[in-house]
Amino acid sequence: QLQLQESGPGLVKPSETLSLTCTVSGGSISSSLYYWGWLRQPPGKGLEWIGTIYYSGSTNYNPSLKSRVTVSVDTSKNQFSLKLRSVTAADTAVYFCAREANIAMTGTGAFDPWGQGTQVTVSS
Amino acid sequence: QLVLTQSPSASASLGASVKLTCTLSSGHSNYAIAWHQQQPEKGPRYLMKLNSDGSHSKADGIPDRFSGSSSGAERYLTISSLQSEDEADYYCQTWGFGIQVFGGGTKLTVL
Repeated sequence: QLQLQESGPGLVKPSETLSLTCTVSGGSISSSLYYWGWLRQPPGKGLEWIGTIYYSGSTNYNPSLKSRVTVSVDTSKNQFSLKLRSVTAADTAVYFCAREANIAMTGTGAFDPWGQGTQVTVSS
Repeated sequence: QLVLTQSPSASASLGASVKLTCTLSSGHSNYAIAWHQQQPEKGPRYLMKLNSDGSHSKADGIPDRFSGSSSGAERYLTISSLQSEDEADYYCQTWGFGIQVFGGGTKLTVL
C-alpha cells in the first residue's frame, strides 16, 4: 500500500525559504503512471495545488506561485521536495504531498493517495 | 478559465441522503472531476473519478452509499444512509493543460 509522508521545519521566518520533503513508501516514484504533487491548505480554507513533478524531472506549477516555487525529485531516495521562497504569513498552511495520476497513461489526473500533511507556520 | 464552484455548506439528517454539487465553468462542461473527502483534522481521501456522462469509478474501500452523477456542467456526489462519520468537507478537483483546480469545498453537517 503506497504511503506518503511529509517532513520539514514547522516554523519558517518571513522572507526565508520553506523546504519540505515527501518520502514515498510501498511503491516506486519512478513509475510512468504517476506524477507527484504538493498542495496546501491555509487555516480554515480550501485546498490549493502548488506544483507537480514527474520522475524525469518535468514540472508543472500553479501560475500564482510559479515565481517562488521549485519542486525536485530524488529517485534514488524515492523522495520529492518543495522549496517556496520569500515566504510571508500568507504561506502559513498545512502542506500535503500526494500522488497524481498521469492522465495520458491512466485517463485521470486525480490525487490519490494523500499524505497526512504537515503544519508550516511563517512567523518571526 | 477553468473554475469549479461548490456551495459552502450542506446539511442532512442521520440516515437520510444528500446530494452535493460541483459546477464547471463555462466551456468546460465535458471535463471529468474527482471527489475527495476530508474529515476533521485529517488529510483528504480520494473518493471517485466522475466523468461527464455520469460514469464513475470509486476508490477501493469506498462504500456503496457514495455515488456520482452528472448533468451538463454539474457534477454530483450523492451520499445515502448518512452516517456520523460522513460529516466532513468535500472537495471536487479537475485537471487540464498542466494545471490542477479545486473547488472551494462543501462542509457537510450530519444532523
